[in-house]
Amino acid sequence: NAGVTQTPKFRILKIGQSMTLQCAQDMNHNYMYWYRQDPGMGLKLIYYSVGAGITDKGEVPNGYNVSRSTTEDFPLRLELAAPSQTSVYFCASRGDSRNQPQHFGDGTRLSIL
Amino acid sequence: RKEVEQDPGPFNVPEGATVAFNCTYSNSASQSFFWYRQDCRKEPKLLMSVYSSGNEDGRFTAQLNRASQYISLLIRDSKLSDSATYLCVVNTNAGKSTFGDGTTLTVKP
Repeated sequence: NAGVTQTPKFRILKIGQSMTLQCAQDMNHNYMYWYRQDPGMGLKLIYYSVGAGITDKGEVPNGYNVSRSTTEDFPLRLELAAPSQTSVYFCASRGDSRNQPQHFGDGTRLSIL
Repeated sequence: RKEVEQDPGPFNVPEGATVAFNCTYSNSASQSFFWYRQDCRKEPKLLMSVYSSGNEDGRFTAQLNRASQYISLLIRDSKLSDSATYLCVVNTNAGKSTFGDGTTLTVKP
């Protein structure tokens, strides 16, 4: 019962470094999402995908890139890490029916120093 | 104006109280609606979907008013374990999903 798996769980980066946050789901879901959550705030949508090969910008895409080469994986790339990207990142997926809720991973806690 | 707005809170209520949260949305193309619960910045977990006719799950009741573009969550007989942040979520038919900023509930003995 893996569901949505995010790696790593924690990471500290230096300013200017790059990294990829991994997200994988084993539920054959077409819809996948990346969010960030800053302290005391709600979830902000970074990017989402409605199927393999298709991605769309969310509310806060600047500084991030995504790809969706397979149904299972939806990695999030930070090219030049900035302190403003310190946050908790959540990945989620859902089934095709519009009434399907999202299933979340445990999150990646990222600090940029 | 934010696409999804929630009552700012925080709500501090005694055990056994009834508490209600509202959430308004601006996109008339919104198609599906949910309430999630989040504890201490862990991952959000689905509390309940919100159906047009309203729906109930134990002490929790969710309602949707499409004409006024808001959803609500009613919690009856509050328990200490209900203390959490409650998030409303609005999905469009195109797959985009927008969360409210959350309302914090603290239930006190």
